[in-house]
Amino acid sequence: NAGVTQTPKFQVLKTGQSMTLQCAQDMNHNSMYWYRQDPGMGLRLIYYSASEGTTDKGEVPNGYNVSRLNKREFSLRLESAAPSQTSVYFCASSEVRSSYEQYFGPGTRLTVT
Amino acid sequence: AQTVTQSQPEMSVQEAETVTLSCTYDTSESDYYLFWYKQPPSRQMILVIRQEAYKQQNATENRFSVNFQKAAKSFSLKISDSQLGDAAMYFCAYRSTGDDMRFGAGTRLTVKP
Repeated sequence: NAGVTQTPKFQVLKTGQSMTLQCAQDMNHNSMYWYRQDPGMGLRLIYYSASEGTTDKGEVPNGYNVSRLNKREFSLRLESAAPSQTSVYFCASSEVRSSYEQYFGPGTRLTVT
Repeated sequence: AQTVTQSQPEMSVQEAETVTLSCTYDTSESDYYLFWYKQPPSRQMILVIRQEAYKQQNATENRFSVNFQKAAKSFSLKISDSQLGDAAMYFCAYRSTGDDMRFGAGTRLTVKP
């Protein structure tokens, strides 16, 4: 099993450009998440999806959109990138029950110039 | 909103010695789960240990153990017989019956040979 995969691993964008980060999991998990990681701030939740067809805002959703394409895939879109969105982005998945840990992808390092 | 605080941005330990990383959290919930994740330079987030709030017994995983003080809302991680491979960022995380997980800002652990 590959676990949680993310593409791309690195990306450089100019201000105003758009892009989509892809995430897929093969563990048959219902819940999927997008986080951003900034120095000194830990991981902050952008959006999550508790099940196929549903999405909810997290702590820092502004400037992002998401799509839960099916049970396996959860994408994050930046419509008009800004330098403040320079960060490392992690996708994660888990079972619905809160006792279960989240499994993380390898991350995408995004730089917006 | 629940918050997780890691008051030690950096810690250092001599190889084979013991180190304790601190974590406190704020919640009004009675049922929740706490986690410690390790993030080595590869960026991959790896679960180290998990604690259920309803369990009085502290969780242990080989050289890793926790000191869970529910009344004090404290959840520290003890690493015994520290190894060079333990060098990483360590994140404390909280998850209640909701679907999202809250992370602390992290502690960077250095292991000196």
